[in-house]
Amino acid sequence: NAGVTQTPKFQVLKTGQSMTLQCAQDMNHNSMYWYRQDPGMGLRLIYYSASEGTTDKGEVPNGYNVSRLNKREFSLRLESAAPSQTSVYFCASSEVGGVLYYGYTFGSGTRLTVV
Amino acid sequence: QQQVKQSPQSLIVQKGGISIINCAYENTAFDYFPWYQQFPGKGPALLIAIRPDVSEKKEGRFTISFNKSAKQFSLHIMDSQPGDSATYFCAAIPQAGTALIFGKGTTLSVSS
Repeated sequence: NAGVTQTPKFQVLKTGQSMTLQCAQDMNHNSMYWYRQDPGMGLRLIYYSASEGTTDKGEVPNGYNVSRLNKREFSLRLESAAPSQTSVYFCASSEVGGVLYYGYTFGSGTRLTVV
Repeated sequence: QQQVKQSPQSLIVQKGGISIINCAYENTAFDYFPWYQQFPGKGPALLIAIRPDVSEKKEGRFTISFNKSAKQFSLHIMDSQPGDSATYFCAAIPQAGTALIFGKGTTLSVSS
């Protein structure tokens, strides 16, 4: 049982380049999320998908786009990378049912450096 | 912007001591309060969670205390061990179908 798998684990981009961060979960979860983690800033939500076919902006969506490809996969795209997007990116998934909340399962992260 | 404010930013505790991390929130509609633990190079992992109709929840050495009127909740780690050294995040969810809002994290170091 792999949980949440993120690829790649490390990436260096030049300013202006584009790339897609991949995320897949094998737990049949409905909801998926993208967060970025920066020193002293905690985890900030970029985008989330409450269910297949829906996506919503989080706190810091500028410069990013997402695609919920199917129930398993949720990708994050940087169209024109900027140094300010240097960060560790985490994908997570969860099963949310009505008033019951369940824990998020996080991937191991993608460490992105934009030079 | 809805926020969850976490303190302290860092904490050093002796082995066997009690570690206490505090969080405060503003939105009274928040109704689920988890704590996550993160080790270096890893993703965060759920540690313990509480709903606002309960004032305290204990799981082993970890306890959440919740004060609804003060809009505060805290994590207590009893008998802290070097293996507890990690970054801890509190979080809250505004409503069903949205996403967790995290505090900025507390780096805990337990000295042996």
